[in-house]
Amino acid sequence: GIQVEQSPPDLILQEGANSTLRCNFSDSVNNLQWFHQNPWGQLINLFYIPSGTKQNGRLSATTVATERYSLLYISSSQTTDSGVYFCAVLRTGTASKLTFGTGTRLQVTL
Amino acid sequence: AAGVIQSPRHLIKEKRETATLKCYPIPRHDTVYWYQQGPGQDPQFLISFYEKMQSDKGSIPDRFSAQQFSDYHSELNMSSLELGDSALYFCASSRDITEAFFGQGTRLTVV
Repeated sequence: GIQVEQSPPDLILQEGANSTLRCNFSDSVNNLQWFHQNPWGQLINLFYIPSGTKQNGRLSATTVATERYSLLYISSSQTTDSGVYFCAVLRTGTASKLTFGTGTRLQVTL
Repeated sequence: AAGVIQSPRHLIKEKRETATLKCYPIPRHDTVYWYQQGPGQDPQFLISFYEKMQSDKGSIPDRFSAQQFSDYHSELNMSSLELGDSALYFCASSRDITEAFFGQGTRLTVV
């Protein structure tokens, strides 16, 4: 099956700092999504981004499908950004098996 | 906007008991996914349904079964529960293999 690796695995930031999270995948994909799992366990949709660049407030994401990676940018981080960030991909040729990456655990401190 | 509804939110069962988790997808979504997430782990794919037919299968134990009903809701049945089945179980839905939306999850504790 497809391998989805995220880096870094853990990240500690001071409030106000910027960060870049990376998602590498081993095969061509139809879909790619970024999620934030908050401390209560909820998976919150951040971006649906099979290719290209999108921005939503302090967050933006870029997927370069031909090079098999995606980046999530967090600017001016806040304590509420803490949690685990997952990317998930749907490999080309599969109908409905969204494979999650290994996650990046982010802690934003005051 | 309507979201994916899961019930119950919390469930405590004893070893060897049976549990049934329910999922109500977003209206007009044609695909339902089930995932299991252990503590500190990423969500693991269990099974999916497209238009009420099983579409893909992951690492789902033989003790687990799932189905999607005519009204599109789905149920995950878990029998002979083991301590290791304690986890957060997510259901998600999507339309036309596009963006998937997840429910709030069912936290299952097996004691």
